[in-house]
Amino acid sequence: SQQGEEDPQALSIQEGENATMNCSYKTSINNLQWYRQNSGRGLVHLILIRSNEREKHSGRLRVTLDTSKKSSSLLITASRAADTASYFCATDGSSGYALNFGKGTSLLVTP
Amino acid sequence: DGGITQSPKYLFRKEGQNVTLSCEQNLNHDAMYWYRQDPGQGLRLIYYSQIVNDFQKGDIAEGYSVSREKKESFPLTVTSAQKNPTAFYLCASTNRDRGTYEQYFGPGTRLTVT
Repeated sequence: SQQGEEDPQALSIQEGENATMNCSYKTSINNLQWYRQNSGRGLVHLILIRSNEREKHSGRLRVTLDTSKKSSSLLITASRAADTASYFCATDGSSGYALNFGKGTSLLVTP
Repeated sequence: DGGITQSPKYLFRKEGQNVTLSCEQNLNHDAMYWYRQDPGQGLRLIYYSQIVNDFQKGDIAEGYSVSREKKESFPLTVTSAQKNPTAFYLCASTNRDRGTYEQYFGPGTRLTVT
């Protein structure tokens, strides 16, 4: 079942600007992950944040998690054209280490 | 190179035919998954397997079947009972021993049924 829901559905910015996308989910989680998908390709794991963490950084990525609001945000700083992709949040599922994915945010970064 | 391979990249079939999508991994991961992605949509879980010779249905298993005879391989068969089989199919795996849920994805197979 799709638990996560990303917002906005689409985002268009210029190179150098920051991109922020949000994810809301419905039930309690152990961790939340963000993935990236280039058009027509498989997903690539970006970052995982555990339920007891509030913020995590990886290079130009910054992820926050607010479990009281059941929401997370992904910030990409100093965006590049190569960041153009769809970004998905995923929460841990009920069993089997399966993940519940949202519908994604489509990011377009123009030169 | 370690990773997950899916073949073929594009697959075309006539309605009423069964088709099998291949997924192979050399990451020594125990758990493997099949997802379906439709345009503008997220991923929906079809089947998953946590160990060889065992698998469980996901959210949309109807019309699909799988097998897990080897740790490295988790093929998915799209049967004629699947009403809307045209989609992008993604295979993934994860290392349960690490205690995390990070999944590694293959490049996907785009199936078109006419």
